[in-house]
Amino acid sequence: EAQVTQNPRYLITVTGKKLTVTCSQNMNHEYMSWYRQDPGLGLRQIYYSMNVEVTDKGDVPEGYKVSRKEKRNFPLILESPSPNQTSLYFCASSLQPLGERQYFGPGTRLTVT
Amino acid sequence: GESVGLHLPTLSVQEGDNSIINCAYSNSASDYFIWYKQESGKGPQFIIDIRSNMDKRQGQRVTVLLNKTVKHLSLQIAATQPGDSAVYFCAETTQAGTALIFGKGTTLSVSS
Repeated sequence: EAQVTQNPRYLITVTGKKLTVTCSQNMNHEYMSWYRQDPGLGLRQIYYSMNVEVTDKGDVPEGYKVSRKEKRNFPLILESPSPNQTSLYFCASSLQPLGERQYFGPGTRLTVT
Repeated sequence: GESVGLHLPTLSVQEGDNSIINCAYSNSASDYFIWYKQESGKGPQFIIDIRSNMDKRQGQRVTVLLNKTVKHLSLQIAATQPGDSAVYFCAETTQAGTALIFGKGTTLSVSS
């Protein structure tokens, strides 16, 4: 089944404790992206990757890192999480970035206390 | 700037009615538009898309209309069902083509 998977689905952590949210797609997509979703603000892009070893900042990259060592994986790293990073996170992928539907993962709900 | 907005945050309809969800976009250079449906606790799910060289596109029970003159996008759902209850987002490509810009969403509630 073609899908985007994320882990963990739910995470509660404390300020400053490094964490990684994994994202994997099995569709051989070149483009992958991370979004955060907050009430009243909608979906905002954090980082994206056009292909392996090619990543770039989205609209709200502060406090996040990403890597793209393999085509299928695009982990999101929070080196020192803060409470303002409490949010719902979605990973998405598409065959190409422009003019293509993006497939979304099920989401990761992160709470930073 | 580039932004996509929706006219109404909520829409309530009766089962069997036709629903129309509207979206205004600001970037006249946008080339691709897409509608997503998001149910509670799930990721956005693709509904239908349309390119700027088209005015209308139909899917199963859904139709998307694009009016480039007034930069308006709409999603029509025929014979709305309780299972259609969700948040609906419109989105557009940026000029750089590296991200989708999402509107804030319309919550559709269908009562039976």
